[in-house]
Amino acid sequence: NAGVTQTPKFQVLKTGQSMTLQCAQDMNHNSMYWYRQDPGMGLRLIYYSASEGTTDKGEVPNGYNVSRLNKREFSLRLESAAPSQTSVYFCASSVSGVNEQYFGPGTRLTVT
Amino acid sequence: KQEVTQIPAALSVPEGENLVLNCSFTDSAIYNLQWFRQDPGKGLTSLLLIQSSQREQTSGRLNASLDKSSGRSTLYIAASQPGDSATYLCAVYAGNNRKLIWGLGTSLAVNP
Repeated sequence: NAGVTQTPKFQVLKTGQSMTLQCAQDMNHNSMYWYRQDPGMGLRLIYYSASEGTTDKGEVPNGYNVSRLNKREFSLRLESAAPSQTSVYFCASSVSGVNEQYFGPGTRLTVT
Repeated sequence: KQEVTQIPAALSVPEGENLVLNCSFTDSAIYNLQWFRQDPGKGLTSLLLIQSSQREQTSGRLNASLDKSSGRSTLYIAASQPGDSATYLCAVYAGNNRKLIWGLGTSLAVNP
């Protein structure tokens, strides 16, 4: 089992460019999450999907959109990247919200 | 508002020492508490999940305790090894907003 996979691993964008971060899990989990991790601020939830077909905002949703494409895949889109979105982005999944979360390896995004 | 604090922020110990990492939370209304490990440049790995009704959980050399009434959890690492060097994060699942609330982590260095 691959667990949670994320692509790309690294990305550099110019201000105003758009991109989509991809996430997939092969554990048949219902819930999926997108976090960003910044020094001194810890992990912050951007969006989550409690089950296929649903998405909800987390703490810091502004500037992002998500799509739960099917049970396996949950993508995060930056429509117009800003330097403040420079961060490490993690995708995670769990059987349900109260269960332990499994994380992907992360995407390191730099916006210049 | 639930807040999670981890003390100390950084810890350096010689190999073989038993050590305790601390996590405190402000609201005792939690479903569970989870401990994670993060290696530099990598994703997070779940170590232990303690349900709110439990007092402790053990996995190998790791033992996590939970005292909900005082808002505290400890992660005990026995006979530490250089391979234990990583950042350890705790997070509480607060059911009313259906998400994990994260601490900033303790960065542990175990010196040979």
